[in-house]
Amino acid sequence: SQKIEQNSEALNIQEGKTATLTCNYTNYSPAYLQWYRQDPGRGPVFLLLIRENEKEKRKERLKVTFDTTLKQSLFHITASQPADSATYLCAAGGAGNNRKLIWGLGTSLAVNP
Amino acid sequence: NAGVTQTPKFRILKIGQSMTLQCAQDMNHNYMYWYRQDPGMGLKLIYYSVGAGITDKGEVPNGYNVSRSTTEDFPLRLELAAPSQTSVYFCASSTGTSLGTDTQYFGPGTRLTVL
Repeated sequence: SQKIEQNSEALNIQEGKTATLTCNYTNYSPAYLQWYRQDPGRGPVFLLLIRENEKEKRKERLKVTFDTTLKQSLFHITASQPADSATYLCAAGGAGNNRKLIWGLGTSLAVNP
Repeated sequence: NAGVTQTPKFRILKIGQSMTLQCAQDMNHNYMYWYRQDPGMGLKLIYYSVGAGITDKGEVPNGYNVSRSTTEDFPLRLELAAPSQTSVYFCASSTGTSLGTDTQYFGPGTRLTVL
């Protein structure tokens, strides 16, 4: 079955370092991948989208890559701050009429001051 | 814009009771979704709608019903509540354009406990 896998272990990093989160997909060829941030007790908030024909997208301190050979997306937060601490969700979507996203379980990130 | 709003924020139900979770969006989005999120289980799609009058089942529809009489509103009905329906429920919406990309906008969630 189609599956999206993210690191289940929490990621702890020091403030100022780059956080790298991984999203792998199996039995699936998504047209795009999305990354969301979720804070405790709140709904997910969209961060970035990357299409299958794009290798890299950037937005301020965020960068996402899409490697269709490795079936993987990497999400980077550079110069991380304690305010970046949250759970980050990866979601994969198809093109055309297939609007349903397949969600990963998320990776918890803690940035220590 | 208020975005996606959900009511109530919290609710405790007794087994066998019914209730409706309300969801509204003011972004004129065609697509709306209901998810449940359980610890360690990720987001599971319950139902979705591609426009007023059109709804379809997601991964976990049993025990729930939906309707979409307007573009703005997408209520989720729980009939005969069971402890397995204890969860956090999120409503989301998206534009549903033909570009094949669908950023979803989420509401704040409803935390439901069934005892």
